[in-house]
Amino acid sequence: AQKITQTQPGMFVQEKEAVTLDCTYDTSDQSYGLFWYKQPSSGEMIFLIYQGSYDEQNATEGRYSLNFQKARKSANLVISASQLGDSAMYFCAMSPPRYAGNNRKLIWGLGTSLAVNP
Amino acid sequence: DGGITQSPKYLFRKEGQNVTLSCEQNLNHDAMYWYRQDPGQGLRLIYYSQIVNDFQKGDIAEGYSVSREKKESFPLTVTSAQKNPTAFYLCASSSLSDTQYFGPGTRLTVL
Repeated sequence: AQKITQTQPGMFVQEKEAVTLDCTYDTSDQSYGLFWYKQPSSGEMIFLIYQGSYDEQNATEGRYSLNFQKARKSANLVISASQLGDSAMYFCAMSPPRYAGNNRKLIWGLGTSLAVNP
Repeated sequence: DGGITQSPKYLFRKEGQNVTLSCEQNLNHDAMYWYRQDPGQGLRLIYYSQIVNDFQKGDIAEGYSVSREKKESFPLTVTSAQKNPTAFYLCASSSLSDTQYFGPGTRLTVL
């Protein structure tokens, strides 16, 4: 069965430093997608970045990059130059295998709480 | 502006009442989803719909009902059969790319 594991319940980082949030996944499918979302205290879930399993290069979106290591089944989120506004919960998710057909629901991790200290 | 709206932002329910949470999107997405989130927890899927007039149960559908009469709208009813409905409810939509975009959420409290 597909599974997402986020082993860090909480992380702290100093403002302006980089931080890596871990995500490992388990799937037997060759084609899948990996997502990271941010959830600030307001509650809204904000899409950050996407990596396809066949993408040659790691995805980047501004200060966010995804360190994709397919052989290790890891998809860590790297936030460069942390800002106070980065304090939030961060969730990793994976799209289902193609053979799931109409069962197109994402598989979610339990999240990592990031606190950025001034 | 394209996006997803949810209303109300806060909702209070008395025990034994049914309440309906609204979710509307103008992104022209085919798929829509309802999630429940409890404090300190991840997301749990309640229902999802990939096409008008069709929907599937998620992992925790008991005590909830949905309809999908229009592409833009996917309302969620929390029925009196849901014994512990106090939670944060998030609606999302997606196109074929699977990236889900979320609304601002509704916080439901049972009095």
